[in-house]
Amino acid sequence: DIQMTQSPSSLSASVGDRVTITCRASQSISTYLNWYQQKPGKAPNLLIYAASSLQTGVPSRFSGSGSGTEFTLTISSLQPEDFATYYCQQSYRNLLTFGGGTKVEIK
Amino acid sequence: EVQLVESGGGLVQPGGSLRLSCAASGFTVSSNYLSWVRQAPGKGLEWVSIIYSAGTTYYADSVKGRFTISRHNSKNTVYLQMNSLRAEDTAVYYCARDRDYGTGFDIWGQGTMVTVSS
Repeated sequence: DIQMTQSPSSLSASVGDRVTITCRASQSISTYLNWYQQKPGKAPNLLIYAASSLQTGVPSRFSGSGSGTEFTLTISSLQPEDFATYYCQQSYRNLLTFGGGTKVEIK
Repeated sequence: EVQLVESGGGLVQPGGSLRLSCAASGFTVSSNYLSWVRQAPGKGLEWVSIIYSAGTTYYADSVKGRFTISRHNSKNTVYLQMNSLRAEDTAVYYCARDRDYGTGFDIWGQGTMVTVSS
C-alpha cells in the first residue's frame, strides 16, 4: 500500500499568515493527489484535486503543487474560516489512502 | 440537488453484523465511483472500500474478508455489509463520490455512526 505522510501534524497561525502543509508519498503517485478540509462534526470538503486543480467554489487563496512523491497545500492568507484539519489523499492505486491530517489552529 | 444520505448505523456487539446504505440523488451511482470512508472518534480519515462504475471492488486490508460493498442500480443506492465487527471498527462511516479516476471525493454524505461494543 502507498503510505501518505503529512507534516506538520499541527500548526498555530494568525489570520493573514501564509500557511504551507506538506504531504509525502511512499512511492511516486504522479499527480494523483487530493486535498480536503474538515471542520469538527462535518464531512470533509474537497479543496484541490489532481495536485493543483482548484475544486469549483473553493477560494483562490488555496493552491496545491507537486508531483511524484512530494506535494504542498498553500493557503496564501489565512482567514478565520480556514481553521480546520487538512488531509491529503492519493488516488493513484485502487487501495486509496489518506495522510494523517494537519490541524491548523489559531495563534 | 446532488447529495448522498447514509443510514443504517447503530450499536452492535463484537462479532455482529450491520448493513449501511448510501442513497444518492442528483446523479447515477452506476456511472460514478463510490467509496466508504470512516473516521474513528478523534482520529483521521481511513478509506474503507470502493465500487467502480464497472462494478469492480476494492477493500482496505483492515476490512478485507469482513466487509462487502455493493450497489442497487434501480434504487440508486450503495451498501456496505459489515460482518465480524470489532471494537476498532467503531467510527463515523461516510460515503463519498469520485466522478472519475483521480478527481477526488467531491460529494460526501453526512455520515452514520457505528459503535461496536458489548
